[in-house]
Amino acid sequence: AQRVTQPEKLLSVFKGAPVELKCNYSYSGSPELFWYVQYSRQRLQLLLRHISRESIKGFTADLNKGETSFHLKKPFAQEEDSAMYYCALSLGGYQKVTFGTGTKLQVIP
Amino acid sequence: GAVVSQHPSRVICKSGTSVKIECRSLDFQATTMFWYRQFPKQSLMLMATSNEGSKATYEQGVEKDKFLINHASLTLSTLTVTSAHPEDSSFYICSAREVRGGREEQFFGPGTRLTVL
Repeated sequence: AQRVTQPEKLLSVFKGAPVELKCNYSYSGSPELFWYVQYSRQRLQLLLRHISRESIKGFTADLNKGETSFHLKKPFAQEEDSAMYYCALSLGGYQKVTFGTGTKLQVIP
Repeated sequence: GAVVSQHPSRVICKSGTSVKIECRSLDFQATTMFWYRQFPKQSLMLMATSNEGSKATYEQGVEKDKFLINHASLTLSTLTVTSAHPEDSSFYICSAREVRGGREEQFFGPGTRLTVL
């Protein structure tokens, strides 16, 4: 069965510092990887997906099949980035999404 | 993006009663909706996949007779927690899948906080 691992429950960084939220997955095939974000008192929303290869709010994530990782990165953290971030995996073909346990990002002013 | 609503946002009920939670896609049709459960400081756990016009697909360990799912239309899925007990207290979140231009995305509802006394 597929699994998504986010090793850090909490990541605290200073404003302007680089951010890297780690995500590793286990699946032998070619999954689709996503990052979802949940800001305080708001609903979960899609941040980005690996097939889009886009940068959203300054965040990027590269799928590394060799390391089975999909780490989320941003060069300079901003206070408004403080939120809960979930890495997720889908087997594609409109199948269900499996979520990691989430990492709380805290950007210190 | 598309909007998904949930009703009620929070509900408190007595042990043994049944509670119905609604999930609606407001501006798109969703043949597939998902129901998740989230415990405090934990991830979302998929409970079941709700398919319009057919039976829901439940994840392993989720009692289908306990958590009744009905997806009667393309914009509405309901989750009924039957004979609720305190251990059913949790945050229930639904999502609806939108397919547009061959690309699919899940949009999440705001969640429903269930407290069983």
